[in-house]
Amino acid sequence: SAVISQKPSRDICQRGTSLTIQCQVDSQVTMMFWYRQQPGQSLTLIATANQGSEATYESGFVIDKFPISRPNLTFSTLTVSNMSPEDSSIYLCSFTQGEQYFGPGTRLTVT
Amino acid sequence: GENVEQHPSTLSVQEGDSAVIKCTYSDSASNYFPWYKQELGKGPQLIIDIRSNVGEKKDQRIAVTLNKTAKHFSLHITETQPEDSAVYFCAARFSGGSYIPTFGRGTSLIVHP
Repeated sequence: SAVISQKPSRDICQRGTSLTIQCQVDSQVTMMFWYRQQPGQSLTLIATANQGSEATYESGFVIDKFPISRPNLTFSTLTVSNMSPEDSSIYLCSFTQGEQYFGPGTRLTVT
Repeated sequence: GENVEQHPSTLSVQEGDSAVIKCTYSDSASNYFPWYKQELGKGPQLIIDIRSNVGEKKDQRIAVTLNKTAKHFSLHITETQPEDSAVYFCAARFSGGSYIPTFGRGTSLIVHP
């Protein structure tokens, strides 16, 4: 099965700062997805990242707050900008190759 | 768009008992229904799925049933074990369109030894 990794696994950040989360897949995939999972909540799609084009954001999420890069078919980054405590969450990257695979998540706490 | 409701939010059972988690969906065009298990500190992992042309699917101790008329599907775990303790998510999507499923809110299953 595909292997998907994320860095960092967790971080504690100060309000107003930014954090970039990296996602690496061990095979080339067309689309990668970024999700947010707030405590006790479901998986909310932030955006779809395609290589060579701008990410497509879901309602309620904007590029200025969550810029995404997709430099090649195995890698993507999500930046959480100008963080506030409301951004405390688990961030998951994902891709679909037959079935949907998720990374282990990045647990972000904003103080 | 699709809306998926999942119940219960928490389920506590004794080891060896059965556990049932239920989901309903709103979009009759949805035809693919996966279930994910998320263990602590890990991402969700697909454990079983069912397509709309099938009413039931089994894989060892887990099974999923689908009622397209009523637009609901359920996950059944028999002979539960402590390692079944996790959060379970149901999802629904239309496989002919976007790859993006809609997820339920999750069920925290606790199996007491």
